Amino acid sequence: EAGVVQSPRYKIIEKKQPVAFWCNPISGHNTLYWYLQNLGQGPELLIRYENEEAVDDSQLPKDRFSAERLKGVDSTLKIQPAELGDSAVYLCASSTGVVNEQFFGPGTRLTVL
Amino acid sequence: RKEVEQDPGPFNVPEGATVAFNCTYSNSASQSFFWYRQDCRKEPKLLMSVYSSGNEDGRFTAQLNRASQYISLLIRDSKLSDSATYLCVVNIRDSSYKLIFGSGTRLLVRP
Repeated sequence: EAGVVQSPRYKIIEKKQPVAFWCNPISGHNTLYWYLQNLGQGPELLIRYENEEAVDDSQLPKDRFSAERLKGVDSTLKIQPAELGDSAVYLCASSTGVVNEQFFGPGTRLTVL
Repeated sequence: RKEVEQDPGPFNVPEGATVAFNCTYSNSASQSFFWYRQDCRKEPKLLMSVYSSGNEDGRFTAQLNRASQYISLLIRDSKLSDSATYLCVVNIRDSSYKLIFGSGTRLLVRP
């Protein structure tokens, strides 16, 4: 069974540029998460989807970050414009329910210059 | 105060040693608990869930103390391959479910 797929794996951009990350969860997983992980820190939740509904986006900086999961399957996270402090690893995870094990993708390592 | 706190380590132990990590959480509405393992530059993976009665999986034992609001992970007979960062994860239910990760405890097992 395929795991959570993310692309790109690495991205280097200049500040003020836009960037987008894509995630395809494990088939049948209704719950999808986007996390941000800084070096030496644990993942921090940005947004959680139940199917196509964003049920927890309280930690998403909505002035520059947006996300969508239009058909309740794959998802896109966008940053526009990117700032230096956005350099981090962006992890996508999925699960069969909010209390169940989360499976993480390999992440996208973003560097903003 | 962070909602989930862990000693960052690193814990540097010889092969075969027994090592224990603790994690404290501040929200009494916490309902479920997990230990995840994260290798360097890799994604986190579930190591084990933590049940109220405590649970064991081979060389790994997890325990929960709700009264003192901490969970622990014990690793016996450490292997070189156990070297990783161990993330304590707490699932809090207030108005919704929220999964909070600790910053992780780094373990280095030396030959």
